[in-house]
Amino acid sequence: GENVEQHPSTLSVQEGDSAVIKCTYSDSASNYFPWYKQELGKRPQLIIDIRSNVGEKKDQRIAVTLNKTAKHFSLHITETQPEDSAVYFCAPNNNAGNMLTFGGGTRLMVKP
Amino acid sequence: DSGVTQTPKHLITATGQRVTLRCSPRSGDLSVYWYQQSLDQGLQFLIQYYNGEERAKGNILERFSAQQFPDLHSELNLSSLELGDSALYFCASTPGGSGANIQYFGAGTRLSVL
Repeated sequence: GENVEQHPSTLSVQEGDSAVIKCTYSDSASNYFPWYKQELGKRPQLIIDIRSNVGEKKDQRIAVTLNKTAKHFSLHITETQPEDSAVYFCAPNNNAGNMLTFGGGTRLMVKP
Repeated sequence: DSGVTQTPKHLITATGQRVTLRCSPRSGDLSVYWYQQSLDQGLQFLIQYYNGEERAKGNILERFSAQQFPDLHSELNLSSLELGDSALYFCASTPGGSGANIQYFGAGTRLSVL
């Protein structure tokens, strides 16, 4: 199955700073690269995703960049706010109906 | 609200018992995925059903089983419960059978085994 690693496991930033979380994967057939946000006690929710035919996607303060050659993709959050504090998960996958592997999660803390 | 419904929200039971968790996917979604999330842990994929058939299997214990019914709702059965089974159990749904799609998660069932 897919090996997925996220770094860092915890990240503390000052409000207004940028945050970057990296996800590395092993399956070269992966073609879908989502990021999920899970607030404390809540369900995971998709915040941004990218498919393998593009290298970058932006949605306001959030962006995802993909390097298929190196098999990693990253979540970028600019102008962080306290409400960005949560655990973020990546879950690279492909169209084959195989098991899904989520990264171990990154706990982001934004200090006001 | 994701449109995915899980019941019950909380479940407290004793070791050795058996419980059933229920999930109703979003209207029109054919796939249901089950995940286990222990305290401060990541999401462990258990099993996926697509249109009533098992599609993919993860690290699901033999004491656990699942099924998807003709109306597409799914149930996860956990038996001979142990203390270590205490966790948050999520289900998610997608329209098709491919994992390369947005997962819509339910609010989860918190299981406490005492």
